[in-house]
Amino acid sequence: GQQLNQSPQSMFIQEGEDVSMNCTSSSIFNTWLWYKQDPGEGPVLLIALYKAGELTSNGRLTAQFGITRKDSFLNISASIPSDVGIYFCAGQLGFGNTNAGKSTFGDGTTLTVKP
Amino acid sequence: ETGVTQSPTHLIKTRGQQVTLRCSSQSGHNTVSWYQQALGQGPQFIFQYYREEENGRGNFPPRFSGLQFPNYSSELNVNALELDDSALYLCASSLASRTSNEQFFGPGTRLTVL
Repeated sequence: GQQLNQSPQSMFIQEGEDVSMNCTSSSIFNTWLWYKQDPGEGPVLLIALYKAGELTSNGRLTAQFGITRKDSFLNISASIPSDVGIYFCAGQLGFGNTNAGKSTFGDGTTLTVKP
Repeated sequence: ETGVTQSPTHLIKTRGQQVTLRCSSQSGHNTVSWYQQALGQGPQFIFQYYREEENGRGNFPPRFSGLQFPNYSSELNVNALELDDSALYLCASSLASRTSNEQFFGPGTRLTVL
């Protein structure tokens, strides 16, 4: 089946630093999603990408949909302590009732921010 | 607008028992997906319900089954529980559309099988 490889597995950074993480797949996805999960909670959607090459921002977060459709990147600028958590990428094949909601997830990047 | 809610929050069962987990979709959403998240891993897709019918299943055995009700709430049933079924079970709702694949997750039910 499809698998997503997320890297790095974990990151320890200083407050104020920028962060980059990525997600690669052996097969093509038509939608890429980035989520953040805090302990004891469900994942919260950060950014959704629908088009190859698309670059989308949400505050200090910027994500890109790779041109090959097999990868995606998430950047966090000027990190703050509340950025701590696990960041997941997820890929979906398409839209509509046939594929929406069927996400393949990576195993996450755990981010620790030191004040 | 209410978000996705799940019940119970935590549950402890013994091997061989059966369990039912419940999910209420976000208002206006017609699609519900269930995921299993083992410790230290990303969520794994179990199945999806759209208009009260199963609409796709991941690599899970038939003892994992579900229902979606007319109000779009949903249940996940697991029979003959095994130790490896211990995990966080997440429900996610979405509105099937041509322009959006956004899913919104509930807080999950933590199932422990002893």
